[in-house]
Amino acid sequence: AQTVTQSQPEMSVQEAETVTLSCTYDTSESDYYLFWYKQPPSRQMILVIRQEAYKQQNATENRFSVNFQKAAKSFSLKISDSQLGDAAMYFCAYRRGRDSNYQLIWGAGTKLIIKP
Amino acid sequence: DAGVIQSPRHEVTEMGQEVTLRCKPISGHNSLFWYRQTMMRGLELLIYFNNNVPIDDSGMPEDRFSAKMPNASFSTLKIQPSEPRDSAVYFCASSPRDREQYFGPGTRLTVT
Repeated sequence: AQTVTQSQPEMSVQEAETVTLSCTYDTSESDYYLFWYKQPPSRQMILVIRQEAYKQQNATENRFSVNFQKAAKSFSLKISDSQLGDAAMYFCAYRRGRDSNYQLIWGAGTKLIIKP
Repeated sequence: DAGVIQSPRHEVTEMGQEVTLRCKPISGHNSLFWYRQTMMRGLELLIYFNNNVPIDDSGMPEDRFSAKMPNASFSTLKIQPSEPRDSAVYFCASSPRDREQYFGPGTRLTVT
């Protein structure tokens, strides 16, 4: 069975600095997707970034980028120039397959605190 | 698009009462997911549908919980009878084929 592990329950960073959130996963599949979702105090779950396993290039969305290490089964999220609005719970998620709608396997989440 | 719509946003009810949560997925999405989130247990998948058909309901806690998707634009999650331990935030999410899930704003349920 697939599992997702986020080993950092909480992280803090000074505003404008860079922070990296860790995520590792376990799977025997070769074709899958990985996601980072953000949940601010409003509770809304917001997709931050998505990575296809078959793509070697790391995904980037503005200040958010990932370091995808397929062999190591690692999928970390880097937030550059941290802003107060980045304060939230961050969840890493895995989904297998490419041709259907499979459920997501979720990590436990990392609470990110931004210090002004 | 309006995004995933959930109603009500907040529900307070007494133990033993029936509770119905509603979800309208994004038009064109063929999968729908119901989640429950609590501090103790985190985010749990309760059930999901593909093309209106329930695929996996192994996360439904017990027979008091039921979910239906009568058509592609509407789903309900019902709890009967409700208990205080059902208090949580319930999320509905939808996705098109081969894409990520989009979440609704959630329903905060409090059972007293």
